[in-house]
Amino acid sequence: DAGVTQSPTHLIKTRGQQVTLRCSPKSGHDTVSWYQQALGQGPQFIFQYYEEEERQRGNFPDRFSGHQFPNYSSELNVNALLLGDSALYLCASSRGTGETQYFGPGTRLLVL
Amino acid sequence: QKEVEQDPGPLSVPEGAIVSLNCTYSNSAFQYFMWYRQYSRKGPELLMYTYSSGNKEDGRFTAQVDKSSKYISLFIRDSQPSDSATYLCAMSAGAAGNKLTFGGGTRVLVKP
Repeated sequence: DAGVTQSPTHLIKTRGQQVTLRCSPKSGHDTVSWYQQALGQGPQFIFQYYEEEERQRGNFPDRFSGHQFPNYSSELNVNALLLGDSALYLCASSRGTGETQYFGPGTRLLVL
Repeated sequence: QKEVEQDPGPLSVPEGAIVSLNCTYSNSAFQYFMWYRQYSRKGPELLMYTYSSGNKEDGRFTAQVDKSSKYISLFIRDSQPSDSATYLCAMSAGAAGNKLTFGGGTRVLVKP
């Protein structure tokens, strides 16, 4: 049973560029959430997708956007990258909102 | 003030000792409480999940929730060097799969 997978594992961008991160949920899960984890801190909620709609959003600017596909996989897009966007980006999936979330290994983004 | 407070540690214990971790929170709407373990450069792994107040035991792990005090705990018995990791508490309101609010994590080191 495959768990949550994310790609790429890590990447390096420069300020002002745009980046797209991808996530495939655990088998049987239909809800995907994205979190940002800065070094030495706990994860911060970005947004959650269910039935291809954004249903919850955290305190992140509009530069952060997402999408969910019919197969439940999801993308996180970040425009106009800032140095402060350097972090581990985590994807978590669940079966609807009634069950707990399981995390993927994350994508480590470094912005120079 | 953060919604969820967690001592960052590090907490160093000898092998076989009991590890005691805790979090305090301020939002009385939180009903679902989780503990995740995160190894360096990996995604968080769900350890324990508790709904509302009470105790839950699973193997060497015991989770306690005291909603009246807004205080949750995790105990690890017979600690092993492989338990060395960062432990994150997380909580949500309304449903287990809703937005998770995390503490900053406690780094634990179990010495052989």
